[in-house]
Amino acid sequence: DGGITQSPKYLFRKEGQNVTLSCEQNLNHDAMYWYRQDPGQGLRLIYYSQIVNDFQKGDIAEGYSVSREKKESFPLTVTSAQKNPTAFYLCASSSHRGNTEAFFGQGTRLTVV
Amino acid sequence: SQKIEQNSEALNIQEGKTATLTCNYTNYSPAYLQWYRQDPGRGPVFLLLIRENEKEKRKERLKVTFDTTLKQSLFHITASQPADSATYLCALDGTGGGNKLTFGTGTQLKVEL
Repeated sequence: DGGITQSPKYLFRKEGQNVTLSCEQNLNHDAMYWYRQDPGQGLRLIYYSQIVNDFQKGDIAEGYSVSREKKESFPLTVTSAQKNPTAFYLCASSSHRGNTEAFFGQGTRLTVV
Repeated sequence: SQKIEQNSEALNIQEGKTATLTCNYTNYSPAYLQWYRQDPGRGPVFLLLIRENEKEKRKERLKVTFDTTLKQSLFHITASQPADSATYLCALDGTGGGNKLTFGTGTQLKVEL
């Protein structure tokens, strides 16, 4: 089945640690995105990538890093520089042909302990 | 600065009535606007896309309008049902097109019996 998969579903991090969230898609989409959602809030764009080996900062990129070495994969690293990392993280992908819908993963809930 | 605004207060309506949700934006010239549905703890699911040269689009009980002069989109659900209860998000592409998809804060809809 085609789709977008995030893992893990729940993640616990100690303060000062870096953690990496996985996002894989088999939809052959060029564009991929990472969003952060806090309770009762909308989605805020962290990073996005329109093509392999290229990505751009979104609105809240500080404390995060990404890579796009393969079309199918867009991992997000939450670094120790991110002061308030506890949130729900959503990955999405869409066709780069424009004017097309985004498909979302089921999300990763990150908690700092 | 760019803003996408949706009513942060929950909208409560009776079953069978029409729900109308609003999305206003500033400092954007989007090529298209999208609406998504999000259930608690899940990723958003695409509902409708409307292009800048379209005034209205329909899909079953859903209708979206797009007024680029007012910089506003209205999202209607006719004959609403309790199963329509969810948070509804609008999303815009970056000015001039492209794939930087930015979301509004969302409006929670509650349909009561």
